[in-house]
Amino acid sequence: DAGITQSPRHKVTETGTPVTLRCHQTENHRYMYWYRQDPGHGLRLIHYSYGVKDTDKGEVSDGYSVSRSKTEDFLLTLESATSSQTSVYFCAISRGGRNTEAFFGQGTRLTVV
Amino acid sequence: QQQVKQSPQSLIVQKGGISIINCAYENTAFDYFPWYQQFPGKGPALLIAIRPDVSEKKEGRFTISFNKSAKQFSLHIMDSQPGDSATYFCAATMEGGSEKLVFGKGMKLTVNP
Repeated sequence: DAGITQSPRHKVTETGTPVTLRCHQTENHRYMYWYRQDPGHGLRLIHYSYGVKDTDKGEVSDGYSVSRSKTEDFLLTLESATSSQTSVYFCAISRGGRNTEAFFGQGTRLTVV
Repeated sequence: QQQVKQSPQSLIVQKGGISIINCAYENTAFDYFPWYQQFPGKGPALLIAIRPDVSEKKEGRFTISFNKSAKQFSLHIMDSQPGDSATYFCAATMEGGSEKLVFGKGMKLTVNP
């Protein structure tokens, strides 16, 4: 497996609380991504990063923020969790460039009650 | 709007049969089309990919067919095996740009023994 670690793997939190998910890579890849996976919606991009301190929004970024202070870490924060943010969250990394492959972490199952 | 449309949503085939998954895209700037395979409880993993300068790519039992004029591509799984039972996602991206992968909604394949 590519060197990607997501933490925590499972979390239950209450509505209105902030939550931070962490993605850590040991591959020194430039690009990092956060996706959420929901039945009937597939994988939807939340935010991505193309370098340290360089981030941009994806298609479902409302209610989420990210930070990347080091190459190896990409944090996803739910500022005030809502039930609609109950999902499985995947971090992915890629080197970028021609025929690049995206490697996914094992996912974090988040339940907002 | 959904940039990559995938069908069918689910498919059941018998062992030894052919599984076919279809995808259509809208953005003609896409230039790299990977397929990802996901087993329950795991992150997606790259299965096979194609660029629009070829019409077909084969790797073992897996073949991608690409029709640039129709903006469609498909995955064929020959001699389907129970171990192929998984969710399959088509995706598209523009290399050299933001490197964002846009995914279809996925197809759950069940191969009966």
